[in-house]
Amino acid sequence: ETGVTQTPRHLVMGMTNKKSLKCEQHLGHNAMYWYKQSAKKPLELMFVYSLEERVENNSVPSRFSPECPNSSHLFLHLHTLQPEDSALYLCASSQDRGRTITSYEQYFGPGTRLTVT
Amino acid sequence: QKEVEQNSGPLSVPEGAIASLNCTYSDRVSQSFFWYRQYSGKSPELIMSIYSNGDKEDGRFTAQLNKASQYVSLLIRDSQPSDSATYLCAVYGGSQGNLIFGKGTKLSVKP
Repeated sequence: ETGVTQTPRHLVMGMTNKKSLKCEQHLGHNAMYWYKQSAKKPLELMFVYSLEERVENNSVPSRFSPECPNSSHLFLHLHTLQPEDSALYLCASSQDRGRTITSYEQYFGPGTRLTVT
Repeated sequence: QKEVEQNSGPLSVPEGAIASLNCTYSDRVSQSFFWYRQYSGKSPELIMSIYSNGDKEDGRFTAQLNKASQYVSLLIRDSQPSDSATYLCAVYGGSQGNLIFGKGTKLSVKP
């Protein structure tokens, strides 16, 4: 396990449900990320937060809504998902974004395996 | 669209051999390069970072970077069955602003 934790580890939800994924980092980092990993596809960056401010939103459907209340916590709120949203959702953190050469060393949490029925 | 390309494999090597994993990238201004190991059902784990041309060694792992050829590789010496995993190459390209991941190469080390 790394210094990044995620809950829940597994989630099954219906298309009409509302749920939230939680991520917490204990590394003292200032940037946090949500990724989606589907079979046979590269990791897809969804959202980036730097110093609690959202700095990137990669054309993600509005049924995914991120929240970053402080630099240690990150949430992904889910509502009215589609079956194609079933995937492994990964949270990551890094020291910051570009201030030093090692800024982009990202450390991942264990992920939440999401199944939408 | 900036890309990172990897051979999907599977790459099969016998125990004790050298495994060679390759990655090419399209963004010439890329500055930082990473190798992640991902076991089946687990999340990616950072195993190597390299920032300048040449070789960087860490235990049984050696990362090699050639910016002129836009090529980065990972060598695993004395491969063990526990090295069997998918290896992801990731590149930080300044013009893109974020890490770009390849699809990964699946490595299988046979006892």
